[in-house]
Amino acid sequence: EIVLTQSPGTLSLSPGERATLSCRASQSVSSNYLAWYQQKPGQAPRLLIFGASSRATGIPDRFSGSGSGTDFTLAISRLEPEDFAVYYCQQYNRSPVTFGGGTKVEIK
Amino acid sequence: HLVQSGAEVKKPGASVRLSCKASNYTFISYGISWVRQAPGQGLEWMGWISAYNGYTTYAQRFEGRVTMTTDTSTSTVYMKLRSLTSDDTAVYHCARDGLTYCGGDCYLNPWGQGTLVSVSP
Repeated sequence: EIVLTQSPGTLSLSPGERATLSCRASQSVSSNYLAWYQQKPGQAPRLLIFGASSRATGIPDRFSGSGSGTDFTLAISRLEPEDFAVYYCQQYNRSPVTFGGGTKVEIK
Repeated sequence: HLVQSGAEVKKPGASVRLSCKASNYTFISYGISWVRQAPGQGLEWMGWISAYNGYTTYAQRFEGRVTMTTDTSTSTVYMKLRSLTSDDTAVYHCARDGLTYCGGDCYLNPWGQGTLVSVSP
């Protein structure tokens, strides 16, 4: 199965700063079948990005996804208070679908 | 869109059956995955079922212990997990494929609110 490694484990930033999250795959993810989710405490994950760079409906444009092959990035241009959460990447190129271990974005 | 059944408390060795009721879309056009999250841990995909024909695919570690079914008359998906241990204590989410007829390999949108299953002697 494809193993996804997210880094860093925790990102400590202030509101207004830029966040850059990394997701590295153990094998190439074809057709950029990679998604990003946001999860807040006590809530279900919410889809942010699919196809590596397409924003889901209703997601603000401060969220952007990029990358291909084995290296993918989620960027948040200017952190809003509601953006402090845990972020997961997921590959759906090859069965079984797999998730990364998550990156926690916390207030510095 | 997806509303899950309530919290469960089970003894080791027991089984649990969770439900996930869909609404506001054509039920048979999308598959449903089950994803669990142990306390303080990440997301773990358990398996997928086609709401169109009931075809299932399970993660290898759950093969033989999990069964997913659908009831198209009520737009509900069920997940039964047997031989529970304390390691099965987790929040269990159902999540819909983001596209129609994905075949099990898809991004997930939306997600159910989750059901907490606690396994304790």
